[in-house]
Amino acid sequence: GAGVSQSPSNKVTEKGKDVELRCDPISGHTALYWYRQSLGQGLEFLIYFQGNSAPDKSGLPSDRFSAERTGGSVSTLTIQRTQQEDSAVYLCASSFSLKSYEQYFGPGTRLTVT
Amino acid sequence: KQEVTQIPAALSVPEGENLVLNCSFTDSAIYNLQWFRQDPGKGLTSLLLIQSSQREQTSGRLNASLDKSSGRSTLYIAASQPGDSATYLCAVFNAGNMLTFGGGTRLMVKP
Repeated sequence: GAGVSQSPSNKVTEKGKDVELRCDPISGHTALYWYRQSLGQGLEFLIYFQGNSAPDKSGLPSDRFSAERTGGSVSTLTIQRTQQEDSAVYLCASSFSLKSYEQYFGPGTRLTVT
Repeated sequence: KQEVTQIPAALSVPEGENLVLNCSFTDSAIYNLQWFRQDPGKGLTSLLLIQSSQREQTSGRLNASLDKSSGRSTLYIAASQPGDSATYLCAVFNAGNMLTFGGGTRLMVKP
């Protein structure tokens, strides 16, 4: 079956613009996760969803970041007023449920803020 | 706060060698541990998942062990091949419902 897909694969934007990143999880997976991978920071966790609910938003780097998930499926990560330090690869993962299940990752969206 | 460390950071070996990658974590209260492979410019491919109650998992030439009490895991790769060249990442899933990743081991297998 299809894996986790993300779009766009690459995004170049000017500083100050808003961007929206999309994640399509594996069908039937109730848990969805967003991570960010940057050169200086390694892989860091941003937020998770169980169904459409994101109980803990404390991993988001600033209030310019928001995420939502609708219909228990597609999720979007929105970054408002982008800054150069937002440049990174944004990775999405999904799993059957929380805790004990294997996470499957998408190919990522490479964001470059100029 | 959970911290995950991987040693070595980089490793270069000739084809055919058996090798061991190490991962350590500071908080033993984990649900599971996953080993991933990442090729340059690509996403993460899951290699092995070890539940907290398990001691090891095997897949082909890969064997991963887990010693939760001492906060350690090892990934053993038998008979390495040039196609094994990639970055290998260890990650633990704990309270907070997130994976905490190590910095990775960059492996190069020379023909």
